[in-house]
Amino acid sequence: NAGVMQNPRHLVRRRGQEARLRCSPMKGHSHVYWYRQLPEEGLKFMVYLQKENIIDESGMPKERFSAEFPKEGPSILRIQQVVRGDSAAYFCASSTGGGEGYTFGSGTRLTVV
Amino acid sequence: AQKITQTQPGMFVQEKEAVTLDCTYDTSDQSYGLFWYKQPSSGEMIFLIYQGSYDEQNATEGRYSLNFQKARKSANLVISASQLGDSAMYFCAMRDHNAGNMLTFGGGTRLMVKP
Repeated sequence: NAGVMQNPRHLVRRRGQEARLRCSPMKGHSHVYWYRQLPEEGLKFMVYLQKENIIDESGMPKERFSAEFPKEGPSILRIQQVVRGDSAAYFCASSTGGGEGYTFGSGTRLTVV
Repeated sequence: AQKITQTQPGMFVQEKEAVTLDCTYDTSDQSYGLFWYKQPSSGEMIFLIYQGSYDEQNATEGRYSLNFQKARKSANLVISASQLGDSAMYFCAMRDHNAGNMLTFGGGTRLMVKP
């Protein structure tokens, strides 16, 4: 029973390139959440998705960032034209949508050079 | 808006002693959940313990217990018999059951266990 799987674990991009971060939720979980952690800070909520629907994107920057959770396949967080300030750890979590079950992946560490 | 405050940026504890990590929260909702996570230097987020706002008893999980004082809006984590492997960042978080279940995190406390 695999947990939440995120890949890649580490990603290096040059300024202006695109970054694609993938998240496969736990089996049986249909709710996915993306969080960003800047160095020495707590996690900040970005977006909440269910299959084929964005439920809440109030934490997403208005430009360059997008997320999807298609009917088949993992959830994708996409950052276009990356800048140095996008360097952070990006965590995905999944849940059943109720109760306390809420599991994080190991994160993707994005470095923009 | 929800807010989580962890006032201790860093703490030291002697191995085998108990330590309390503080967490206060602010919410106007009646239904919410409180979490503690451990983040070791390897970076993953490890779930430790959960307390629901309607739970009357304090949550316990092995060496971890949550000192939940609802009227004071505090949810302190107590680690008994500290071990060297407990050295890590610890984050308190709150989930609003009426707002899509996203978590709001505090700024974290870095715990260092001394041998």
